[in-house]
Amino acid sequence: GDSVTQMEGPVTLSEEAFLTINCTYTATGYPSLFWYVQYPGEGLQLLLKATKADDKGSNKGFEATYRKETTSFHLEKGSVQVSDSAVYFCALGGNQFYFGTGTSLTVIP
Amino acid sequence: DTGVSQNPRHKITKRGQNVTFRCDPISEHNRLYWYRQTLGQGPEFLTYFQNEAQLEKSRLLSDRFSAERPKGSFSTLEIQRTEQGDSAMYLCASSLGTDRKHNSPLHFGNGTRLTVT
Repeated sequence: GDSVTQMEGPVTLSEEAFLTINCTYTATGYPSLFWYVQYPGEGLQLLLKATKADDKGSNKGFEATYRKETTSFHLEKGSVQVSDSAVYFCALGGNQFYFGTGTSLTVIP
Repeated sequence: DTGVSQNPRHKITKRGQNVTFRCDPISEHNRLYWYRQTLGQGPEFLTYFQNEAQLEKSRLLSDRFSAERPKGSFSTLEIQRTEQGDSAMYLCASSLGTDRKHNSPLHFGNGTRLTVT
């Protein structure tokens, strides 16, 4: 069945470091892919999305490219800030929207 | 757009009691989803509605769980005879679904945290 496998955390980085959070998926067909972010004490918020192969989603300096050949949708940011500290979830669209287990990111000054 | 609203924010109940949660989606959204999230895990699908029709329900969902969406607006999730294993955050999300591939992103509420003692 459809599923998402996400890099486990927690991840701790210094401010301005480069971030990669890996996400791979298994799916029938070609669903949309999403990254959601959950800040402390808040609900899940959409960070970015991509709807087809080779699409690049981007928002707030974060990027992810829909790679059909490697079934991946890795999240990247060139220079993280303390305010990026949150839990990040990769998700596969469809009737059910499958979510990864989340990766906790802490950015230290 | 006032966002997805869930009530109550917190619920503490004793084992064996029934509980009901409410979700008010974004007004123009036709799809409504319920998820459950436990600590350290991602949201787990429970069920989804398109307008008032419940189109899909997780096979993992116990028959103690029931959801409704009368008139295709707000939704309620009821858990009967609660068990300690039901303790979790219950999330509601909505989307404006215009395609069969479900490409529209979900908009989540802040959740209802259930504690069963």
